[in-house]
Amino acid sequence: DIQMTQSPSSLSASVGDRVTITCRASQGISNYLAWFQQKPGKAPKSLIYAASSLQSGVPSKFSGSGSGTDFTLTISSLQPEDFATYYCQQYNSFPFTFGGGTKVEIK
Amino acid sequence: EVQLVESGGGLVQPGRSLRLSCTASGFTFGDYGVSWVRQAPGKGLEWVGFIRSKAYGGTTEYAASVKGRFTISREDSKSIAYLQLNSLKTEDTAVYYCARNNGYTPGWQIDYWGQGTLVTVSS
Repeated sequence: DIQMTQSPSSLSASVGDRVTITCRASQGISNYLAWFQQKPGKAPKSLIYAASSLQSGVPSKFSGSGSGTDFTLTISSLQPEDFATYYCQQYNSFPFTFGGGTKVEIK
Repeated sequence: EVQLVESGGGLVQPGRSLRLSCTASGFTFGDYGVSWVRQAPGKGLEWVGFIRSKAYGGTTEYAASVKGRFTISREDSKSIAYLQLNSLKTEDTAVYYCARNNGYTPGWQIDYWGQGTLVTVSS
């Protein structure tokens, strides 16, 4: 199985900050990487697929990059509604696997 | 508007069974794959399994933790996917989400999620 490792597991940031979250796969997954946002008590929301393509309706402040084993999610200017937990997921091969999550908190 | 609504969760004793439903609307259900993902209380997301669309054989994949106990099926005429949970264990306690997998781009990426249904396994 492919292991997905996210870092950091949590971070504190201020409104307006640029935030970067990394996700590393235990083996190459090409660009079959998705990012999701989850707020407390809510279902996850899809943000990015194919490592860098925005889902419909997702604001351009979110961006993704990477290929192979190393990926990043960047939020260009953190807003109050962006405080949440973010997960990566590989869908290159079964079983599809998620990273452990990165909780973005208010500083 | 794409919608996925899970139902069927509840309190069940260890060793018993439960069937969850995922009712879809707003799109041609049969053209898409469906994933089930769970989240134990206070924990991260765990992929449970997946069913392909009929165009890709309607076949299924499962996580090792549930293989042989859980079964995913679909009834395209009703726009419903099912997750049959057998031989339940306390560690299966979680919110169960269904999600739509879009196969129109390479791979089976998740684009929409349901709101989830809570399954509690306890005596």
